Amino acid sequence: GQSLEQPSEVTAVEGAIVQINCTYQTSGFYGLSWYQQHDGGAPTFLSYNALDGLEETGRFSSFLSRSDSYGYLLLQELQMKDSASYFCAVIGTGRRALTFGSGTRLQVQP
Amino acid sequence: NAGVTQTPKFQVLKTGQSMTLQCAQDMNHNSMYWYRQDPGMGLRLIYYSASEGTTDKGEVPNGYNVSRLNKREFSLRLESAAPSQTSVYFCASSAQPSLGVNLDDSNQPQHFGDGTRLSIL
Repeated sequence: GQSLEQPSEVTAVEGAIVQINCTYQTSGFYGLSWYQQHDGGAPTFLSYNALDGLEETGRFSSFLSRSDSYGYLLLQELQMKDSASYFCAVIGTGRRALTFGSGTRLQVQP
Repeated sequence: NAGVTQTPKFQVLKTGQSMTLQCAQDMNHNSMYWYRQDPGMGLRLIYYSASEGTTDKGEVPNGYNVSRLNKREFSLRLESAAPSQTSVYFCASSAQPSLGVNLDDSNQPQHFGDGTRLSIL
């Protein structure tokens, strides 16, 4: 099966940088995805890493180390609107669907 | 662009009642999914359909049935609702390749509907 670990909560101030870590265990691996969900809203796709290294999309970057079964989401120049829950997710063998972590709730304070 | 549309948005049921949650996507996606999300928790996969005509169980399938009516529509049915099924239900779709195609480098993003908030008394 698949399992993912990520911190339950992170707090940071506006303008700062925050890193949300994710470690995973899966039989077979096709990449690590990140999703954002605001309270009361639907999850939305942020990024996907299939290979080791850093992928940058604007203020958000995502990193993957396949040898360490570890990834992180880096959010720069934090804004109040970044307050949301962030989920990492993987597809492993035997199931053509994502398994999600339990989510990290990010609170951005003024 | 409608994307993924779920109906209803809210529903209250009594224990033992049945109901079907509807989901439709207009993106010509092969794969569709049903998740439940309980307060403060992540998404747990109930069932998914990797292509039209196929369905597979996810992590928490007990108490649910699904139908992939056609490529656009994927419904979730609760035959006899229980209070433990009180949750927010999300439908999603993705352009994941059909069965038989290698998944390497093809992890397509999932597009989610706005959810159905279901309370069972």
